[in-house]
Amino acid sequence: GESVGLHLPTLSVQEGDNSIINCAYSNSASDYFIWYKQESGKGPQFIIDIRSNMDKRQGQRVTVLLNKTVKHLSLQIAATQPGDSAVYFCAENLILTGGGNKLTFGTGTQLKVEL
Amino acid sequence: GAVVSQHPSRVICKSGTSVKIECRSLDFQATTMFWYRQFPKQSLMLMATSNEGSKATYEQGVEKDKFLINHASLTLSTLTVTSAHPEDSSFYICSARGMGQGASFSYEQYFGPGTRLTVT
Repeated sequence: GESVGLHLPTLSVQEGDNSIINCAYSNSASDYFIWYKQESGKGPQFIIDIRSNMDKRQGQRVTVLLNKTVKHLSLQIAATQPGDSAVYFCAENLILTGGGNKLTFGTGTQLKVEL
Repeated sequence: GAVVSQHPSRVICKSGTSVKIECRSLDFQATTMFWYRQFPKQSLMLMATSNEGSKATYEQGVEKDKFLINHASLTLSTLTVTSAHPEDSSFYICSARGMGQGASFSYEQYFGPGTRLTVT
């Protein structure tokens, strides 16, 4: 059931500034990582992904950095816009014994863009 | 491409009744579909994984007799919440994974828009 008292970490930034959202993942065997954006009442929307054999990948206004040594992932959003306001989740992909895969989501960060 | 739909988007049902949620891959064949549950201000938690034509694999702590999953075709999976109770009220999200539909990696999942279930 619903847990009382939980809240998402919140990052507030000014419009036009850069945003950095961090994520710690748990399994060193994870081979693929994804950042998702979720707006209120909607499903997750793919932003960018990165394989475990890379440490940086860039997209349009977004960059993902992967540090496998400390199991840390970050999402950088350049020139943050009001439309970027949402909850951001990282997810790690683990290949399962016998085939198949499983995505495990992080706790999420609420990004608020102030005008 | 790679669009996943869910129906209904919102449903309210009375305690003790059952409700069915559909998940469809609209423009690709989904060999595997996943069902997640999300409580307010929390992350997505995987409930079960279903492969077309076979029984679903449930995550630890998820009652398979309460959350019935059917993946009868390559484009449709259904989740039935049986004997629903208020604590089952949540946001249910499905995702679908196919093979070779232009994804960077074969394990990329495409998410549906979610279904808000409220049990009164």
